[in-house]
Amino acid sequence: DTEVTQTPKHLVMGMTNKKSLKCEQHMGHRAMYWYKQKAKKPPELMFVYSYEKLSINESVPSRFSPECPNSSLLNLHLHALQPEDSALYLCASSHGTGFYEQYFGPGTRLTVT
Amino acid sequence: GESVGLHLPTLSVQEGDNSIINCAYSNSASDYFIWYKQESGKGPQFIIDIRSNMDKRQGQRVTVLLNKTVKHLSLQIAATQPGDSAVYFCAENGGEGSNDYKLSFGAGTTVTVRA
Repeated sequence: DTEVTQTPKHLVMGMTNKKSLKCEQHMGHRAMYWYKQKAKKPPELMFVYSYEKLSINESVPSRFSPECPNSSLLNLHLHALQPEDSALYLCASSHGTGFYEQYFGPGTRLTVT
Repeated sequence: GESVGLHLPTLSVQEGDNSIINCAYSNSASDYFIWYKQESGKGPQFIIDIRSNMDKRQGQRVTVLLNKTVKHLSLQIAATQPGDSAVYFCAENGGEGSNDYKLSFGAGTTVTVRA
């Protein structure tokens, strides 16, 4: 199984809502990532978890809160988002660091109204 | 700053022809490079990778070339098919001493295959 799954596929939320994005992989990967991708742009790294611990936060606003409940799951909790946060949110995983490719999920298309 | 970029934002190719997608990088310490393909509405899909101790690597219908002297990376697709239409991103890891978790992506090249 070389698949990273993400739910939901689409999400529309108001600026006062609280929602969560979910990501799952069963490849035994120990590093998991959240990226944000705007239309016609490359993915931008947000967070990295290594062995279930947050290792990188790319100065992401606190309205985005990541969580790694176990080695297979990664969540992104959303609260008080702004319309400019509308984007495709991608989850990825890799065996480890350095010379390992990252496998991406299909993404969650988020619209903030 | 140091970054990965692509020479051309778009490429139109006749079906059956070979495609060449180029990428220039500025971080001479980068030691691992990846090509991703992203189709509309999907996440990036791994195509092929190469380490800096190699200058060529081949996969199925794809070849990646690395020229460290001029810091240039290219992806060649043989006998381009309609299913190859997508955005192609190069990415690099910044090399030893950098944070190995981080991939820096180029701006992307949109490949359109003409029937």
